[in-house]
Amino acid sequence: DAGITQSPRHKVTETGTPVTLRCHQTENHRYMYWYRQDPGHGLRLIHYSYGVKDTDKGEVSDGYSVSRSKTEDFLLTLESATSSQTSVYFCAISESGPNYGYTFGSGTRLTVV
Amino acid sequence: AQKVTQAQTEISVVEKEDVTLDCVYETRDTTYYLFWYKQPPSGELVFLIRRNSFDEQNEISGRYSWNFQKSTSSFNFTITASQVVDSAVYFCALNDDYKLSFGAGTTVTVRA
Repeated sequence: DAGITQSPRHKVTETGTPVTLRCHQTENHRYMYWYRQDPGHGLRLIHYSYGVKDTDKGEVSDGYSVSRSKTEDFLLTLESATSSQTSVYFCAISESGPNYGYTFGSGTRLTVV
Repeated sequence: AQKVTQAQTEISVVEKEDVTLDCVYETRDTTYYLFWYKQPPSGELVFLIRRNSFDEQNEISGRYSWNFQKSTSSFNFTITASQVVDSAVYFCALNDDYKLSFGAGTTVTVRA
């Protein structure tokens, strides 16, 4: 009965191919975030959303795009995957914004070969 | 920009030892929030604590305790009498405008 799910959990893709990761929530939270986790860097924000069709860039947004056509879904797209995008991707949700912390999804491990 | 520094990359202890994780932050805000998250080997991120800048009382939850010192911009985390199940990566975070900014994390290994 997890309130936030990510799919797929694991993916291996080839350089240059498009990839879309999905984050789905059942909590009706306004805020959604995509982070990537890399050794030595902690978690870095890629993009975030503060409402349906309202999105903005984070600190490492180059090479990524997002869409949020409905409250429950936040999609992250790698238009043309590169090896530097091999990472673990986490989606997070928040009802009232970062002051109240996040609930995280289980993560997607993406390998670009 | 806000910044969170976790200077300890890895800590290894023997079971029942205490372990303290350091977190130092930078912010120009007068009101802010600090967090700790735990990431066990299974990979999920688990919320541990949220503390606002106006509450400098230390907090204890079972074997976990947190020491918030505004004067030194630190929010340290201590695990008392560590157990193997405490082995995880621990992240400190700070609210930073529209997002949480995370430190690089400290990997704690507790050996039996």
